Amino acid sequence: AQSVTQLDSHVSVSEGTPVLLRCNYSSSYSPSLFWYVQHPNKGLQLLLKYTSAATLVKGINGFEAEFKKSETSFHLTKPSAHMSDAAEYFCVVSDLNNDMRFGAGTRLTVKP
Amino acid sequence: DAGITQSPRHKVTETGTPVTLRCHQTENHRYMYWYRQDPGHGLRLIHYSYGVKDTDKGEVSDGYSVSRSKTEDFLLTLESATSSQTSVYFCAVRQGTSTDTQYFGPGTRLTVL
Repeated sequence: AQSVTQLDSHVSVSEGTPVLLRCNYSSSYSPSLFWYVQHPNKGLQLLLKYTSAATLVKGINGFEAEFKKSETSFHLTKPSAHMSDAAEYFCVVSDLNNDMRFGAGTRLTVKP
Repeated sequence: DAGITQSPRHKVTETGTPVTLRCHQTENHRYMYWYRQDPGHGLRLIHYSYGVKDTDKGEVSDGYSVSRSKTEDFLLTLESATSSQTSVYFCAVRQGTSTDTQYFGPGTRLTVL
């Protein structure tokens, strides 16, 4: 069975500094991997996805993630945090049948 | 937003009462999903549908049933609500291939007293 572990439940950064949200996955097959963002009291919005093409995936709002098979990781990064990035972020792994498994989430706080 | 609406958006009910949540989509997506979101668990799949009248169970299906009589509507029913079903419920849709993205609705906050 596939699974996702988000290594930090809460990350706090200052505005203008880099963001790193860590995600490790487990899957028997070549997975599809996603990052979603959820702002307070909102639904989930897709940030980016990996589906076996380029290992460095660029998403919306300046986010990107790198698929590292040897490390079974799919960490999310952004060079410079903005106040509007404060939200909860979910890493998701999907198998051949589109059975999606969510991580527990990482809450990102951005300090002025 | 992939043309997804959920109703109601908020509901408070009492233990033992039946509750039905509705997901409506306007873009003819084949697959529809119901998830629940609880702190520390991310989202967990309750049931999903792969076509009209075709549904299957997800990870946390106990206490829930679903129906899909039309492509655009996917109903989630709690036959007899319990306090453990207090949660935020999200509907999602996707098109055809296994690598397609799932798009999520705005959610329904359900409180069972």
